Amino acid sequence: GAVVSQHPSWVICKSGTSVKIECRSLDFQATTMFWYRQFPKQSLMLMATSNEGSKATYEQGVEKDKFLINHASLTLSTLTVTSAHPEDSSFYICSANSQRIDYEQYFGPGTRLTVT
Amino acid sequence: QQPVQSPQAVILREGEDAVINCSSSKALYSVHWYRQKHGEAPVFLMILLKGGEQKGHEKISASFNEKKQQSSLYLTASQLSYSGTYFCGTGSRGGSNYKLTFGKGTLLTVNP
Repeated sequence: GAVVSQHPSWVICKSGTSVKIECRSLDFQATTMFWYRQFPKQSLMLMATSNEGSKATYEQGVEKDKFLINHASLTLSTLTVTSAHPEDSSFYICSANSQRIDYEQYFGPGTRLTVT
Repeated sequence: QQPVQSPQAVILREGEDAVINCSSSKALYSVHWYRQKHGEAPVFLMILLKGGEQKGHEKISASFNEKKQQSSLYLTASQLSYSGTYFCGTGSRGGSNYKLTFGKGTLLTVNP
């Protein structure tokens, strides 16, 4: 149980375009989903927290107009990187918090974004 | 506040033991341990919520000290599959949300 999927697994896009990444909880309802970014050989940095049906809470230094988060249902959250630039290239990982077990977070497999 | 992990890296031979530490200057709400292999997402290992708590699964165990400022992850009789980067994440409440702040990670390499 507690499986989280992400789509796509990787994406290459041109500078200035937008990219959407989906995060789904497959076998449980996720009240809260989290979006992280991880640069090579570095730690996971929380970008934002999203709750179903409400606006996302962004961490300090994360541009909310650039990284649009929509948590449309208890099983789906999306992250859209708008007007992507090469410095946005990174590994984006989502996680979901199960309603059954308050504090455990289950991570998706990640999406590798490369902006050329 | 980011927790401090030590050591940064450790190299073992198969069958040896290792300890990874995670500490904070303030009492923590919880500690979560994850293992991440290169290019993959972190895999949940365990969570500790109570001071003085110890728990384990197979040959991996963890403890949380009484003051809830330090946690240690114990890897016993290491296997090749234990290789990866281990992260501790400390839980905190930001408004109504509960979120994790991760340490910088400990790279564990198990050689035959």
